[in-house]
Amino acid sequence: DAGVIQSPRHEVTEMGQEVTLRCKPISGHNSLFWYRQTMMRGLELLIYFNNNVPIDDSGMPEDRFSAKMPNASFSTLKIQPSEPRDSAVYFCASSFWRQINQPQHFGDGTRLSIL
Amino acid sequence: GQQVMQIPQYQHVQEGEDFTTYCNSSTTLSNIQWYKQRPGGHPVFLIQLVKSGEVKKQKRLTFQFGEAKKNSSLHITATQTTDVGTYFCAGPGNSGGSNYKLTFGKGTLLTVNP
Repeated sequence: DAGVIQSPRHEVTEMGQEVTLRCKPISGHNSLFWYRQTMMRGLELLIYFNNNVPIDDSGMPEDRFSAKMPNASFSTLKIQPSEPRDSAVYFCASSFWRQINQPQHFGDGTRLSIL
Repeated sequence: GQQVMQIPQYQHVQEGEDFTTYCNSSTTLSNIQWYKQRPGGHPVFLIQLVKSGEVKKQKRLTFQFGEAKKNSSLHITATQTTDVGTYFCAGPGNSGGSNYKLTFGKGTLLTVNP
C-alpha cells in the first residue's frame, strides 16, 4: 500500500516567494496533520484536519501560513511570503481516528530552504 | 497546555550496551505512543501503550507505561548500530477536539559506536 506522499521532497527558494507543499494521505484515513521540524524547536504540530475540516490551527506560526484540505485525498500547506526562518523539514502525517489515537503515518517530508 | 518531556536529550553508547529513554507528561495520558526517526528520515510508529502499568516487548525493545499513566520508558537491550536514531514519545491532547492530535516530546537522539 502507498504511504503518505509528499511533494516536493526538497524546495529551495528565495525569501518573499510563495511556497506550496502538498500531501496525499493514506486512503481511508480521516485525520491529517502538518508538522514542522527544526533542531531548535523539535517536531511542532502546525494544523490538523479531521474529515477534511480544520480542527485546530493554533500551531500555525502566523498569517503567512495557510493550509487547505479540499478533499479526503489531498492537502496543501502554503507559505506566502516565505522568510528564511521558515526553513525546516515539513512533515505531513495521516491516521484513522476512532475514540483513541491511532498511529500516525508520516510522509518523507519536504526539506525547505528559504534563502 | 499539555507538555511531554523526554530525557536524556542525547545518549551515546558502545554497541552492546543498554539504552533507556524516559518520557514524562504534565497530565494523565489515555495512551502513549513511541516513534523512531532515523537520521534524514521520518518518524515511524513503534508501539502504543494504553493500560496502566503496561509492558510490551519488541525483540530487544521494552516499553513501559507508568501506573499513574503519566510516564513511560523505552529500554533497548544490547544496542546495535541499526538502533541509531531519535526516539520520540507522544501523548494525546486533553479533551474535545484536541483528542485527535498528539503532543511529541523533543526526542532522545541515540548514537551507537560500533
